[in-house]
Amino acid sequence: GNSVTQMEGPVTLSEEAFLTINCTYTATGYPSLFWYVQYPGEGLQLLLKATKADDKGSNKGFEATYRKETTSFHLEKGSVQVSDSAVYFCAQVNAGNNRKLIWGLGTSLAVNP
Amino acid sequence: EPEVTQTPSHQVTQMGQEVILRCVPISNHLYFYWYRQILGQKVEFLVSFYNNEISEKSEIFDDQFSVERPDGSNFTLKIRSTKLEDSAMYFCASSDSGRVYGYTFGSGTRLTVV
Repeated sequence: GNSVTQMEGPVTLSEEAFLTINCTYTATGYPSLFWYVQYPGEGLQLLLKATKADDKGSNKGFEATYRKETTSFHLEKGSVQVSDSAVYFCAQVNAGNNRKLIWGLGTSLAVNP
Repeated sequence: EPEVTQTPSHQVTQMGQEVILRCVPISNHLYFYWYRQILGQKVEFLVSFYNNEISEKSEIFDDQFSVERPDGSNFTLKIRSTKLEDSAMYFCASSDSGRVYGYTFGSGTRLTVV
């Protein structure tokens, strides 16, 4: 079945460090891919998305490229800030799945000043 | 930016009691969903709703759960007899069939069963 696998956390970085959070997926067909962010005590916010191969989603300095050949959608940011501390979820949705989101386990990021 | 609104933000209930979680999806959206997240764990799909009926439900969504869209604007999740393990954050979401899978989530209802 369709699934999403994320790198395990927690990830701890110093401010201005480079961030990569790995995400790979298995799917039938061609899903759309998403990164959601959950700040402490808050709900789920869409961070970025990509709907087809080679698309790059970007927002707030974060980027992720839809790589069909490696079935990956890794999240990157060149210089993290303390305010980026949150849990990051990779997810996919496929038209054949009633559009339900299939989620990774989430990766907790802590950025220290 | 249109929002999905959920109420209440936090509800405490006694085990065995019925609870209704309320959501107002974005007005022109057609697909509606409930997800839940047990504290510190994965987000789990509960149910999807389209054209005034359930289109898919997960194993979690047993006979104790039901959903309704009673008046064309609200979308509710009812748990008939709550258990301790129902304690979680419940998220409502809606999706527009026009934009590609343009999900919008509400800010969630934290349900605590005591």
